[in-house]
Amino acid sequence: GIQVEQSPPDLILQEGANSTLRCNFSDSVNNLQWFHQNPWGQLINLFYIPSGTKQNGRLSATTVATERYSLLYISSSQTTDSGVYFCAVEENSGGYQKVTFGTGTKLQVIP
Amino acid sequence: DAGVIQSPRHEVTEMGQEVTLRCKPISGHNSLFWYRQTMMRGLELLIYFNNNVPIDDSGMPEDRFSAKMPNASFSTLKIQPSEPRDSAVYFCASSLSPVVAEAFFGQGTRLTVV
Repeated sequence: GIQVEQSPPDLILQEGANSTLRCNFSDSVNNLQWFHQNPWGQLINLFYIPSGTKQNGRLSATTVATERYSLLYISSSQTTDSGVYFCAVEENSGGYQKVTFGTGTKLQVIP
Repeated sequence: DAGVIQSPRHEVTEMGQEVTLRCKPISGHNSLFWYRQTMMRGLELLIYFNNNVPIDDSGMPEDRFSAKMPNASFSTLKIQPSEPRDSAVYFCASSLSPVVAEAFFGQGTRLTVV
């Protein structure tokens, strides 16, 4: 099946710093989503981004589907950004979607 | 819409007992997914339904696990009998379409089997 790798696995940032999280995938995908799992375990949709670039406040994401990667940018990080960031890719399997999650990047933002 | 609603939020049960997790998808969504999250294996897709029909249950770990979707607004994931290794957070998600659609997650059920 498709392999989804995220890097770095762990990241510690000083509040106010910027960072880039990466998601590589091994095959063509129909869709890609970025999620933030907060320290309470809740999974929150960040971006639905099969291709191109999207921005939402301090966060933005870029997916280059032809090169099989996606990037999540966090600018001016805040302590509330702490948690685990997952990318999930979706491939079409027999007319239905098959979703695979990456292993996540654990982010800790310190004051 | 209140989003995907899961119950209970937390469940502690003894080994060998039956456990039933519940999910109410977002109204109008026709695909529903059950995921399990553990430290060892991360987020895994267990099963998904489209229009109440199970499409892919290849992720269901073994026969002790079963899932049903009797109607468009309700699904259950049952474990019988439960074992300590089933301890995990179980997430339910729904989306509008089976192909290329944004999935929305519930808050999860944290299951502990002792």
